[in-house]
Amino acid sequence: SQQGEEDPQALSIQEGENATMNCSYKTSINNLQWYRQNSGRGLVHLILIRSNEREKHSGRLRVTLDTSKKSSSLLITASRAADTASYFCATDPSFSYGGSQGNLIFGKGTKLSVKP
Amino acid sequence: KAGVTQTPRYLIKTRGQQVTLSCSPISGHRSVSWYQQTPGQGLQFLFEYFSETQRNKGNFPGRFSGRQFSNSRSEMNVSTLELGDSALYLCASSFGRGTEAFFGQGTRLTVV
Repeated sequence: SQQGEEDPQALSIQEGENATMNCSYKTSINNLQWYRQNSGRGLVHLILIRSNEREKHSGRLRVTLDTSKKSSSLLITASRAADTASYFCATDPSFSYGGSQGNLIFGKGTKLSVKP
Repeated sequence: KAGVTQTPRYLIKTRGQQVTLSCSPISGHRSVSWYQQTPGQGLQFLFEYFSETQRNKGNFPGRFSGRQFSNSRSEMNVSTLELGDSALYLCASSFGRGTEAFFGQGTRLTVV
């Protein structure tokens, strides 16, 4: 069953604008990972944020994590047409003692369209 | 460094047949997981292997099976194929639980 829920389901912006995608989840997690997928191809790993981290940056990407609200956001700054893709959050659920259960649970994704 | 390699990229099979998909992980990675992606159900976890042992299994029927070899390469097998098995099958490799999981390009299986 899906744990993560991305919001919005679809987002259309102009090149140069910022894109923000949100993800909510239900259970305790070890970490949360964001992925990009172009047209049904493989998933490209973007960033991993651990449960004890609040914010992480990688190039034009900024990810935040709020474990009290069980939510995360992905911000892509200065979007480019090449950023057009589906973006997924994937949670790594943890056991009660904190260890990883070993499987990722994905949301249904946000489809981002960046117009030139 | 080479990424995760999945073969074949595309497959067309007939209902009732069986299929074997292969995954070669990133060098040094000992964990391999498999996922099924369909438009209706999204991305769903199939199996997790580490050092030739299946450590976790998703909610799929027994027709879905897998294994991992001593060189960390993995195969998954689907027997008695059904139309609903048509999907993109993705393999991910990592150093282990709690680390970044890197995916291959997937195998697109079509069952007719």
